[in-house]
Amino acid sequence: DQQVKQNSPSLSVQEGRISILNCDYTNSMFDYFLWYKKYPAEGPTFLISISSIKDKNEDGRFTVFLNKSAKHLSLHIVPSQPGDSAVYFCAASNYSGNTPLVFGKGTRLSVIA
Amino acid sequence: GAGVSQSPSNKVTEKGKDVELRCDPISGHTALYWYRQSLGQGLEFLIYFQGNSAPDKSGLPSDRFSAERTGGSVSTLTIQRTQQEDSAVYLCASSLTWDQETQYFGPGTRLLVL
Repeated sequence: DQQVKQNSPSLSVQEGRISILNCDYTNSMFDYFLWYKKYPAEGPTFLISISSIKDKNEDGRFTVFLNKSAKHLSLHIVPSQPGDSAVYFCAASNYSGNTPLVFGKGTRLSVIA
Repeated sequence: GAGVSQSPSNKVTEKGKDVELRCDPISGHTALYWYRQSLGQGLEFLIYFQGNSAPDKSGLPSDRFSAERTGGSVSTLTIQRTQQEDSAVYLCASSLTWDQETQYFGPGTRLLVL
């Protein structure tokens, strides 16, 4: 039973355009969501997070949107740059319950120059 | 400063053998986590240590898996009688406290069980 789903295994975007990575979750107890970025042969690095009391969080070129009723979140990268090419993992937890992060399978983003 | 380090970076073993994977967290980080990523899968939580508290072992897939953390610092993940399905990248992360946002990951140990 996959609680966090990233249904697109890969995404290709032209440099300068917007990248939109999607994530769906099934556990209504999740109240904290994170995105991690992973380059080959490296560990994931934290990118941006959002708690369930918000519907949007922005950090530079990265914005995360949360739609609680749809149990859906998305990561927008604009403008996309070649250095953004990586695997992006969505993760969720019940923060107040101190539960471990549950990760999606990841989406491989390729930004084409 | 030094990040999270893991050793070995790669390990090839035969089915049935035991393996030990090591994680050196960032100095001063009280929380340490083990995850694994199997081919085509997301990161799967295995076990979590917070200070001197009993570890959260809820993610360990079988009793062949165990982990310890000595002196609140270095951790060792042990897999006994390895099976081919244990082949994966094993990632360690640490954080200052239980703080989901700032988990710092090591580069991982790639385990291949033949």
